[in-house]
Amino acid sequence: GAVVSQHPSWVICKSGTSVKIECRSLDFQATTMFWYRQFPKQSLMLMATSNEGSKATYEQGVEKDKFLINHASLTLSTLTVTSAHPEDSSFYICSARGRGRLNQPQHFGDGTRLSIL
Amino acid sequence: GQQLNQSPQSMFIQEGEDVSMNCTSSSIFNTWLWYKQDPGEGPVLLIALYKAGELTSNGRLTAQFGITRKDSFLNISASIPSDVGIYFCAGQSTDSWGKLQFGAGTQVVVTP
Repeated sequence: GAVVSQHPSWVICKSGTSVKIECRSLDFQATTMFWYRQFPKQSLMLMATSNEGSKATYEQGVEKDKFLINHASLTLSTLTVTSAHPEDSSFYICSARGRGRLNQPQHFGDGTRLSIL
Repeated sequence: GQQLNQSPQSMFIQEGEDVSMNCTSSSIFNTWLWYKQDPGEGPVLLIALYKAGELTSNGRLTAQFGITRKDSFLNISASIPSDVGIYFCAGQSTDSWGKLQFGAGTQVVVTP
């Protein structure tokens, strides 16, 4: 099946640091990638949608200058949390969808646990 | 916006029992999806439903896309310990890049 790789799986850093998370589709071309945030014991909340070669579309309430998304190729999207603070600590998950119909299932990465001290 | 309600919130069952959970929405979806998430991992797709009324099975899992397109259920038959996890429903519209809206999740605990 489709494989989506996310890296790193876990990161701890000091407040004020910027952190980059990578999301790669390993065996298919991902024309659209999605970034989610999940707090403990809660559901996934969509942060933004990125299409290859286009600017990302952010959900209401998500600061685009805080969460920078770059979908530079059909197999790679990155999320950079700029000047991270403790309230940014969360589980960040990406998903990817290949070419074709919009109702193709999204395939998820294994997530990145971000802890800001 | 669309409201998606998933129930029950949690279930504690004995090995061998069947499990049933459902999701309802205030608006229609074109696709319903069911995912399972284990601790510290991303969701894994279990079943995808594309047509109203569709009933689909995947091993011991069975899911249905409600006729009104506003609901879906997932059944797990003869539960086993590895069924433990959080199950999420997700509704998808074909507008807005096919974004998913997730239910709150159902935590399943299976005891021997």
